[in-house]
Amino acid sequence: GENVEQHPSTLSVQEGDSAVIKCTYSDSASNYFPWYKQELGKRPQLIIDIRSNVGEKKDQRIAVTLNKTAKHFSLHITETQPEDSAVYFCAASRLQAGTALIFGKGTTLSVSS
Amino acid sequence: GAGVSQTPSNKVTEKGKYVELRCDPISGHTALYWYRQSLGQGPEFLIYFQGTGAADDSGLPNDRFFAVRPEGSVSTLKIQRTERGDSAVYLCASSLRSSMPDTQYFGPGTRLTVL
Repeated sequence: GENVEQHPSTLSVQEGDSAVIKCTYSDSASNYFPWYKQELGKRPQLIIDIRSNVGEKKDQRIAVTLNKTAKHFSLHITETQPEDSAVYFCAASRLQAGTALIFGKGTTLSVSS
Repeated sequence: GAGVSQTPSNKVTEKGKYVELRCDPISGHTALYWYRQSLGQGPEFLIYFQGTGAADDSGLPNDRFFAVRPEGSVSTLKIQRTERGDSAVYLCASSLRSSMPDTQYFGPGTRLTVL
C-alpha cells in the first residue's frame, strides 16, 4: 500500500521568510496530493492540492510542486506570517471518489515575529 | 453552509466500556470517511461509506470497531471493550463524490480518552 514520508517534522522561521515542506510517496498509482493545515485543537483544512498531470500549482503565497518521476512533492510558503503557524500534513491518494487519503506525519511550522 | 460536525467533542471512558461517536456530514455529501489521529501523527484511515454501505473498512484495526450509516447521512463509530490504546482523536470527513478531485472536508474530531 501507499506510504507517505514527510520532512521536516518541525520547522521554525522568521516572519517574512519562506518555508518548504517535502513529502515522498511510494505508490506510483497515486495521482492526487492534497495539503492540509491543522491549527491546535482544530480540524484539518485543505489549503491546496495538485494532480499528477500538473507539475506546479500556486495560490497566492502558497505553491505546491510535484515530481512524479522521483515521487516527491513539496509545499512552499512565501512571506510567512505568524498566522501560518500550524501543523501541515501532506497526503496522497488516487484521483477517484472513495479513496482514502494516506497522510504524512505532519510538520509543525512556527513563524516568529 | 454548515460543515462536518462531530459529537461529542470529548469523551472520557474507562477501559472495557463501550463508546459511540457521531458524525454529521455536509448536507448532500454521499461519501463519508472515518480517520483516527494519534498524538503527533497524521490521520489514519479507518472506514469509508458510500451512501449507507461500508465500501472500504480495511482500516478498522480489529473487530471491536464498527461503524454504521443507516440512512446515508449521519454515521456512528462504535468501539466495544475500549482499550487505552484506543485513545486518539477520531476524525470524520465527507465529500461530494461527484467531482474530481473528490475533496474531503473534515470535522473537528472527537477526542477519546480511555482511562
